[in-house]
Amino acid sequence: QVQLVESGGGLVKPGGSLRLTCSASGFTFSDYYMTWIRQAPGKGLEWVSYISSSSHSIQYADSVKGRFTVSRDNARNSLSLQMDSLRAEDTAVYYCAKDGRYSSSYYDSWGQGTLVTVSS
Amino acid sequence: EIVMTQSPATLSVSPGERATVSCRASQSISSKLAWYQQKPGQAPRLLIYGASTRATGIPARFSGSGSGTEFTLTISSLQSEDFAVYYCQQYNFWYTFGQGTKLESK
Repeated sequence: QVQLVESGGGLVKPGGSLRLTCSASGFTFSDYYMTWIRQAPGKGLEWVSYISSSSHSIQYADSVKGRFTVSRDNARNSLSLQMDSLRAEDTAVYYCAKDGRYSSSYYDSWGQGTLVTVSS
Repeated sequence: EIVMTQSPATLSVSPGERATVSCRASQSISSKLAWYQQKPGQAPRLLIYGASTRATGIPARFSGSGSGTEFTLTISSLQSEDFAVYYCQQYNFWYTFGQGTKLESK
């Protein structure tokens, strides 16, 4: 079955950096778009970024554009999110999610999430 | 940005009864709408996509309807495990979620 496992979360000071990783198994990772979604404590869901299967198409939410970088390694079935210039408002649980095969759409599998806390 | 508005924010329903959650889009999204269920401390789970297609393994008591700007998630006979927060998500133009509806036991 599909399994997505995020890691790399933690406490970081404002202005700092963190790199999240999502390890995928149970499906042909290289065939699917992948997406990062976050959820601030007690709040709703916010789309952050997607990356196409071949990495040719990448998009970011305006709230993270220029600060976050998504990448993937299809040989290692791994998805990453490099987060720089972190702000307090980036504090959230970050989920990786399996997306569509030919475009980004809805998310049929999610990881358990990793908590990022930005605080001095 | 397409704004997704869910109603009500909280819904109190007795087990065995029917629950209906609404989701309105600020502009037409055709049928590009998904519904998710989230329980405390867990990741969201896909229930419905394409406005009305149940995801793999989702019980038949969950159904979705609507197109354009008005959508509905219906749970026909609530089970104890259905009490959770429900989110709608549009994927017609970028990706936005509703604010969530908490379904609680009456």
